[in-house]
Amino acid sequence: AAGVIQSPRHLIKEKRETATLKCYPIPRHDTVYWYQQGPGQDPQFLISFYEKMQSDKGSIPDRFSAQQFSDYHSELNMSSLELGDSALYFCASSLWGDLAYEQYFGPGTRLTVT
Amino acid sequence: SQELEQSPQSLIVQEGKNLTINCTSSKTLYGLYWYKQKYGEGLIFLMMLQKGGEEKSHEKITAKLDEKKQQSSLHITASQPSHAGIYLCGADKSDQAGTALIFGKGTTLSVSS
Repeated sequence: AAGVIQSPRHLIKEKRETATLKCYPIPRHDTVYWYQQGPGQDPQFLISFYEKMQSDKGSIPDRFSAQQFSDYHSELNMSSLELGDSALYFCASSLWGDLAYEQYFGPGTRLTVT
Repeated sequence: SQELEQSPQSLIVQEGKNLTINCTSSKTLYGLYWYKQKYGEGLIFLMMLQKGGEEKSHEKITAKLDEKKQQSSLHITASQPSHAGIYLCGADKSDQAGTALIFGKGTTLSVSS
């Protein structure tokens, strides 16, 4: 069965650079969630989208923006990167209205900022 | 805002031993979910508990939710090296449709052979 696809899997950037992370949800899933997991930390919710509209916002820094496209894939754009942005970024997808545990997580993108 | 507290933070057990991981919520839970994560990898869904007093088992892993729906435990019987990893409890951020998840800080389990 198809799973959530994230690209790239690994990314190394320097401070003040920009990065774009991509998420391709499971086919027919219309809702996408982004989470950030710092080293040794729990995943923190950043932002979610349903039908290309932002559905909820968590602890996403103002330097980050995200959007969902008509094919339901989503991109997380990160600017003015800081060392503290080094983390594993997860995307999860679900059908709108599904219970939270029915979010399927991607393998994550590991971002390293040097 | 709701918080999930897990204990212990880390655990080292000998292969074949039993162990328990706890997760306590600051508020009544709509649902409590257990995930396993290998270092640097994605989250694997283990179990979901919704009703007070509910207990579910899968292979050698049993999860329980207390009657007040504020505390859950994950019990592993006769641990094996394959059980090693980070165990995270998760819960609904809100009772709204499309809600995101909040997580505990995780328990790192090591199983020595």
